[in-house]
Parts: sequence; C-alpha cells; structure tokens
Amino acid sequence: GESVGLHLPTLSVQEGDNSIINCAYSNSASDYFIWYKQESGKGPQFIIDIRSNMDKRQGQRVTVLLNKTVKHLSLQIAATQPGDSAVYFCAERQDEKLTFGTGTRLTIIP
Amino acid sequence: NAGVMQNPRHLVRRRGQEARLRCSPMKGHSHVYWYRQLPEEGLKFMVYLQKENIIDESGMPKERFSAEFPKEGPSILRIQQVVRGDSAAYFCASSPTAGNTIYFGEGSWLTVV
Repeated sequence: GESVGLHLPTLSVQEGDNSIINCAYSNSASDYFIWYKQESGKGPQFIIDIRSNMDKRQGQRVTVLLNKTVKHLSLQIAATQPGDSAVYFCAERQDEKLTFGTGTRLTIIP
Repeated sequence: NAGVMQNPRHLVRRRGQEARLRCSPMKGHSHVYWYRQLPEEGLKFMVYLQKENIIDESGMPKERFSAEFPKEGPSILRIQQVVRGDSAAYFCASSPTAGNTIYFGEGSWLTVV
C-alpha cells in the first residue's frame, strides 16, 4: 500500500550546525505534507506544512522542501539547538487521515 | 498542542479489563481524531469523528474498540477486554474544520499487565 518513509532513523548534529531530515513518500496523489516534532513522553507538535503546489516554505528557523518529481520531502533546521532534540515525523494527509513515517531521531552534540 | 486535553495520561489495566480514554478538543474545534503509537513507531490513524458522528473508522480494530464524540462532553476511546498488544500511546487530535491544521494532545499511555 501507500506509505511514507524516512531515509535515516537517527541523525546526530553539532550544536549550531544546520540539520536536514529527509522523507520519501510513495503516494503521488498526496497534496499536503506536514512535519511534526515529538519529544519523549509528549504528543506530536506541528512544525510546518506544505501543499503540493509549492516546493518550498519557510518558518522560524525551519524550511520544508518538496520535490514532487522524486517524491521527496525534507526539513531543514537552521542553527540547531539542544531543544531541537526529538523525533521528527513527516506525514501526508488524505481525506483527513494522516499517514506518518517511522521518524528520525535528532540528537544534538554539544 | 497544549489545547487538546487528554486524560488519563497514564493508565494501567489488567488483561480483560476495560480502558476508557478521554479527549477534549481545542476550543472551537469540532473535528476529533484518534491515533495509536507503538514504541519506536509512527502514529497510526484509528478514527475520525465530528460531533455525534463517526466519519472514518477505517483504522479501528473490528472488535473491542469503539469511539464516540457526543454532543456534550469529551470524545471517548473505549477498549474492552484489553490484551497486552493494546499497550501503546493513544493520541487525540483536533482541528476546527476539515482541511485545517491538526493539533495533537499529549497522549494517554496504556499499559496492559
């Protein structure tokens, strides 16, 4: 069936560097994508979203890039901070249902 | 996501007992969703409800699980005759309308012993 998946399960980044988290999706009909951040013992926190008619969207310290040709999504975090340590999920939405990937654990090295 | 309130946060049940998880959506939100998360996995959709209506329950197990969102009061996810495999984090989410941003609560962690 259709799925959303991530290239890497873990990512370690030096504090202050930029982080890039990648996600591949397989449902070419998906038209809306979201990135969530989940800290241990907490619920997913909305970070940023993007619709399929866009290829880039920027927020505060975060940028999402969408490449529909290769069905790839990425989340860029600028100047990574210790508070960015978490598991990051991409999700696609269809008919009010979110399909999540398995997540990437981002660890910040002091 | 602090606006979506879930309780209890942690629940321990013996096999065969019932578990009831409650969710109050954010103020002004009439769309409620339930998701389940197993350790080290992503969230899996269970059910989507609006007030007094189940819109999509395609992710709900056929037996023992039920959900409701009454006209008054919180949404309830009910698991009857729990088994160890039901141990998971159950997240509720809400949105004001269809197609809008979906915000999650902090989850209810169910442990079946």
